[in-house]
Amino acid sequence: SQKIEQNSEALNIQEGKTATLTCNYTNYSPAYLQWYRQDPGRGPVFLLLIRENEKEKRKERLKVTFDTTLKQSLFHITASQPADSATYLCAPLTGGGNKLTFGTGTQLKVEL
Amino acid sequence: KAGVTQTPRYLIKTRGQQVTLSCSPISGHRSVSWYQQTPGQGLQFLFEYFSETQRNKGNFPGRFSGRQFSNSRSEMNVSTLELGDSALYLCASSLVGTGDGRSPLHFGNGTRLTVT
Repeated sequence: SQKIEQNSEALNIQEGKTATLTCNYTNYSPAYLQWYRQDPGRGPVFLLLIRENEKEKRKERLKVTFDTTLKQSLFHITASQPADSATYLCAPLTGGGNKLTFGTGTQLKVEL
Repeated sequence: KAGVTQTPRYLIKTRGQQVTLSCSPISGHRSVSWYQQTPGQGLQFLFEYFSETQRNKGNFPGRFSGRQFSNSRSEMNVSTLELGDSALYLCASSLVGTGDGRSPLHFGNGTRLTVT
């Protein structure tokens, strides 16, 4: 069956460092993969989308990579700030329409 | 532009009752998707509506149903509530082009349902 894995353990890093979050998927080949940020008590907020033929996508301090051979996407936040503390969800596209399947998310804590 | 609005924000119901949740998408968005979020299972896809038609459905029992109106507003209904239905229910709208997942989802802040 299709499976999406994100590190369930919280990631604690120091302000100014680069945070790297991992999303692994098995048993399918998504054409697109999206990343979202979720703060407590709020809905997820879209951050970046990457296509299968794109190796890397950047937006300000954010960078996403998509390795279809390894079946893995990496999400990087450079020069991290305490305001970046949140849960980050990856969502590869499965099926038609807007049927995104979300990983369980990784909680990031950026400490001063 | 107003975001996705979900009402009510909080709801407490008793086992066996039914509940209706409402979602108003971003103006111009024709696709509305519903997700259930629990600490153990994460975000689980319920269904998606596009132009009043259900286009995709997740693996939930028939007690979970939804509909979309001509103005794209959507409702979801859960009948015969069970304790396990306690969750955050999220609605998301998107401006769908070809409907192949290139449109980001814009989520509301959800309805927190507690079943006692």
